[in-house]
Amino acid sequence: EAGVTQFPSHSVIEKGQTVTLRCDPISGHDNLYWYRRVMGKEIKFLLHFVKESKQDESGMPNNRFLAERTGGTYSTLKVQPAELEDSGVYFCASSLLRTGGYEQYFGPGTRLTVT
Amino acid sequence: AQSVTQLDSQVPVFEEAPVELRCNYSSSVSVYLFWYVQYPNQGLQLLLKYLSGSTLVKGINGFEAEFNKSQTSFHLRKPSVHISDTAEYFCAVSDRNFNKFYFGSGTKLNVKP
Repeated sequence: EAGVTQFPSHSVIEKGQTVTLRCDPISGHDNLYWYRRVMGKEIKFLLHFVKESKQDESGMPNNRFLAERTGGTYSTLKVQPAELEDSGVYFCASSLLRTGGYEQYFGPGTRLTVT
Repeated sequence: AQSVTQLDSQVPVFEEAPVELRCNYSSSVSVYLFWYVQYPNQGLQLLLKYLSGSTLVKGINGFEAEFNKSQTSFHLRKPSVHISDTAEYFCAVSDRNFNKFYFGSGTKLNVKP
C-alpha cells in the first residue's frame, strides 16, 4: 500500500512568488492534515480536512495560505505571495475516519525555501 | 492550551548504550501522548502512544516510554541503542479528538559506533 506522498520534495522560490504544495493521502483516508516545521522548531498544526471540508483551520498563519481538497482526495496548499518566514518543511498526514487522528500517517514533507 | 517541551535538541550516545529522551508537557485537560520518529528523508513514524491504562508504554524497535502525571513527563527510553536508531524524535500531545497534535521541537539522536 502506498503511503502519503508529497510533491515537490524541495522548492526554492523568491519572495513574492507563488508556490503550490501537493499531498496525496493514503487511499481511503478521509482525514487529511497539514503541518509546518519552521527552522528546526516544533511542528505546528495548520489545518484538518474531513473529506473535502475544512474541519479546523485554526493553525493557518494568515490569508496568504490557501488549502483545498477537491473531491476529498488529494490536497493542495498554496502560498501567495510567499514571504521569507514561510520557509520550512510542510508535512501532510492522513488517517481513517473511523480511527480518528491518532493513527496519522505522515508524508516525507516538502522543504520550502523562500529567498 | 497545550504545549510540549523537549529539553534536549541533540543527544549523542554510543552504540549499545542506554538512552533517555526527555519530554514534558503542559495541558489543562486529559492528555494523549505520542512519540514519533523521523528517519532521514522519510515521514514521521509512530513509535508509541499513551491513551490510558498502564503508564509504561512499549513501542516499536525496543523503545518504551513512561507517563508520569505528577511530573507531566513522557520520557522515551531504550536500554541499548543501535546505529539504525539515529534519527530525530518528536514528542506530541493531542486534543481529546486526536485531530490537533502539539509537537515538541524534536531531539536528534546520534548513535556513534
